[in-house]
Amino acid sequence: EVQLVESGGGLKQPGGSLRLSCAASGFTFSSYSMNWVRQAPGKGLEWVSYISTSSSTIYYADSVKGRFTVSRDNAKNSLYLQMNSLRVEDTAVYYCARDTTVHSSTWYDFWGQGTLVTVSS
Amino acid sequence: DIVLTQSPDSLAVSLGERATINCKSSQSILYSSDNKNYLAWYQQKPGQPPKLLIYWASTRESGVPDRFSGSGSGTDFTLTISSLQAEDVAIYYCQQYFGTPTFGGGTKVAIK
Repeated sequence: EVQLVESGGGLKQPGGSLRLSCAASGFTFSSYSMNWVRQAPGKGLEWVSYISTSSSTIYYADSVKGRFTVSRDNAKNSLYLQMNSLRVEDTAVYYCARDTTVHSSTWYDFWGQGTLVTVSS
Repeated sequence: DIVLTQSPDSLAVSLGERATINCKSSQSILYSSDNKNYLAWYQQKPGQPPKLLIYWASTRESGVPDRFSGSGSGTDFTLTISSLQAEDVAIYYCQQYFGTPTFGGGTKVAIK
């Protein structure tokens, strides 16, 4: 059974940093590109970042470019999102989501349950 | 970025009746080289992550009931629930992957 479990969320002050993790199981993690998608409370979905299987291709939404860094460790079946210079508008549930192709971000067939990041003073 | 506009924002449908959700793209998401529309649909129930329903605008994901169908091409797309069931109460989102991925604003489906 495919499982994606996010962790690392919490309350941070503006300007702070946080590192999210996503532990994958039930599939060959190294064969799938991965994404982070977020959802502000009561709002819609916003794609955040994409990373290819070998980490050779990485994309970010303009709203997080230069502040967030995505990475993965295929040996540990894990995906990460380093979030720096946090802003109030980064408050959201962050989901990791499995992509279905190797070379670009397409549709997402499995999602984790999400981890809540709250940025507030 | 490509903007997806969903309509209506919400709708209430009687059990067993048809529900129709629209998604309009700010530019064509039909890729000429493969003649595919780069659009997916998701269902999100309260407190749950989104669930993939349809990709390539009309291909149903494995395990998704056949009362869910997707149609359209170019800039105009539709998700249809042919006979609404109680478990279909949710918010539905379209998503394009032609360019940088973007989602529509969502359509909330309720029982009348």
